[in-house]
Formats: sequence, structure tokens, C-alpha cells
Amino acid sequence: EAGVTQFPSHSVIEKGQTVTLRCDPISGHDNLYWYRRVMGKEIKFLLHFVKESKQDESGMPNNRFLAERTGGTYSTLKVQPAELEDSGVYFCASSQDLVPVSNTEAFFGQGTRLTVV
Amino acid sequence: EDKVVQSPLSLVVHEGDTVTLNCSYEVTNFRSLLWYKQEKKAPTFLFMLTSSGIEKKSGRLSSILDKKELFSILNITATQTGDSAVYLCAVVNQAGTALIFGKGTTLSVSS
Repeated sequence: EAGVTQFPSHSVIEKGQTVTLRCDPISGHDNLYWYRRVMGKEIKFLLHFVKESKQDESGMPNNRFLAERTGGTYSTLKVQPAELEDSGVYFCASSQDLVPVSNTEAFFGQGTRLTVV
Repeated sequence: EDKVVQSPLSLVVHEGDTVTLNCSYEVTNFRSLLWYKQEKKAPTFLFMLTSSGIEKKSGRLSSILDKKELFSILNITATQTGDSAVYLCAVVNQAGTALIFGKGTTLSVSS
């Protein structure tokens, strides 16, 4: 069974440009999460989809970030325009059910390393 | 504010040593605590703990939770070079929808 896949694995862009990250969750997983790790800091929650609906986007840093999950399958996270402080590793995770409810785990992708120069 | 603090931040040991990694937390309405191992890229799940005092074991790894003192430990016995990784501790947030992570402990096992 394929795991959570993210594309690209690494992206280097200039300040002011736009970048779109993609996440393909495990097939059949309704819950999809985006997290981000900025260098030297802990992994922080960005938002949570249940199917195509945004369930919780309280972690999104500002309106330069837009996440979508059309059709409830893969998700994209667009940063426009990118700023230097957006550099970090963006992780996607998926789970069949909500983690604490069913005692299930969230499976993580390998992450996309974004470098804004 | 909910938070997770892990210690130490990094650790270097020799093969065969036993290590204990610490995780303390503050969270409103505790639900569960999870441990992940991150070797190169994707964090992989190790344990989920919900009840105090019940040890979870998987091979040389074990973990226990103390809900009164608000901490968990992850033990690794007879360490091997393959145990070298970042070990992440996380708790489920108040809403039950996301994980709050600590900064992780970087473990390096030398042969």
C-alpha cells in the first residue's frame, strides 16, 4: 500500500514567488493534515481537512497560505507571495479516523523542504 | 497555551547503552500522547499512550505515561546504530483534531 506522498521533495524559490506543494494521502483516508517545521522549532499544525472540508485551519500563519482539497483526495498548499520566514519543511499526514477517537495513528509523508531566498 | 517539552535536545551514546528520553506536556483536556521516530524524512509512529502507568513495548523500545506528573518517557535498551534518529513526542490538542509536537530529541548511536 502506498504511503503518504508529497511533491516536490525540495523547492527553492525567490522571495515574492509562488509555490504550490502537493500531498497525496493514503487512499481512503478522509483526514488530511498539514504541518510545518521551521528550523530550530517544533513541528506545528497548519490545518486539517475532513474529505474536502476544512475542519480546522487555526494554524495557518496568514492569508498568503491557501490550502485546498478538491474532491477530497489530494491536497495542495499554495504560498503566494513567499517570504523568507516561510522556509521550512512542510509535512502532510493522513488518517482514516480522527487520531484520538479511534486510537489510530496519523501517517506522515516525507515532507517538502521549502527554501525561500 | 498547550505545549510539549522534550529533553534532552540531543544525545550521543555508544552501541549497547540504554537511553531514556523525556517528554513533559501541558494540554487542556488531555486525550493521548504519541511518540514518533524520524530517521530521514517521514516521522513514523511508535506508540500512543492514553492511560497512566501502562507500559507499551515494542522490541527494545518501551514507553510509559504519568498523567499526574504530566510526562512520558521513551526507553531504548541495547541501542544500535539504526536507532539514530530524531524522536518526537506529541499530544493531541484540546479539539482533538491535531498534534502538538515537542522539538524532538536527536539520538546518535555510535559503533
